[in-house]
Amino acid sequence: EDKVVQSPLSLVVHEGDTVTLNCSYEVTNFRSLLWYKQEKKAPTFLFMLTSSGIEKKSGRLSSILDKKELFSILNITATQTGDSAIYLCAVVGDSWGKLQFGAGTQVVVTP
Amino acid sequence: GAGVSQSPSNKVTEKGKDVELRCDPISGHTALYWYRQSLGQGLEFLIYFQGNSAPDKSGLPSDRFSAERTGGSVSTLTIQRTQQEDSAVYLCASSFGGGAGETQYFGPGTRLLVL
Repeated sequence: EDKVVQSPLSLVVHEGDTVTLNCSYEVTNFRSLLWYKQEKKAPTFLFMLTSSGIEKKSGRLSSILDKKELFSILNITATQTGDSAIYLCAVVGDSWGKLQFGAGTQVVVTP
Repeated sequence: GAGVSQSPSNKVTEKGKDVELRCDPISGHTALYWYRQSLGQGLEFLIYFQGNSAPDKSGLPSDRFSAERTGGSVSTLTIQRTQQEDSAVYLCASSFGGGAGETQYFGPGTRLLVL
């Protein structure tokens, strides 16, 4: 059975700290892994990763995939209160249309 | 349109009634997806459309749930004889194509409460 596990489930940090979020997966015929940020309702797209070892960066956020060890990490440096959100990891496997999501990591950044 | 839109944004209904949720994908997107997010849970896949056909409807939880898409655009998710456990946020997403390399963009969701 396919599974996506995110850790930690939640964390609280101070502004300026760096956070690292983990996503491990077991999925049949892995095709891609995606990270989303969910603040209120609509998850907003952050990254799509398909190849191992290639870091993707967007401002203070970065992510990398390890297809051998079956995990990805999402890093947020110099955190701001606006980074407070639930961060969702999802993978695409055999059914190309289907995102399989982890439970998410709730990040709270305090001033 | 500029983004995926969904209506209504909130729906309160009584147990046993039928509800219809609507999704308008981003213009030009051929693939459309429905997900459900229950309180404290991750997103759960329901069904996926490529054009007007549904190659994967494996996530529909029971035969009370159905969805259709017409004209390759708007989709409607129908829940018949609603139950309290159907209460959740129903999210729709669309992508330009239906492949694994396509990013799915989400709408704001419909929050359904079944009393």
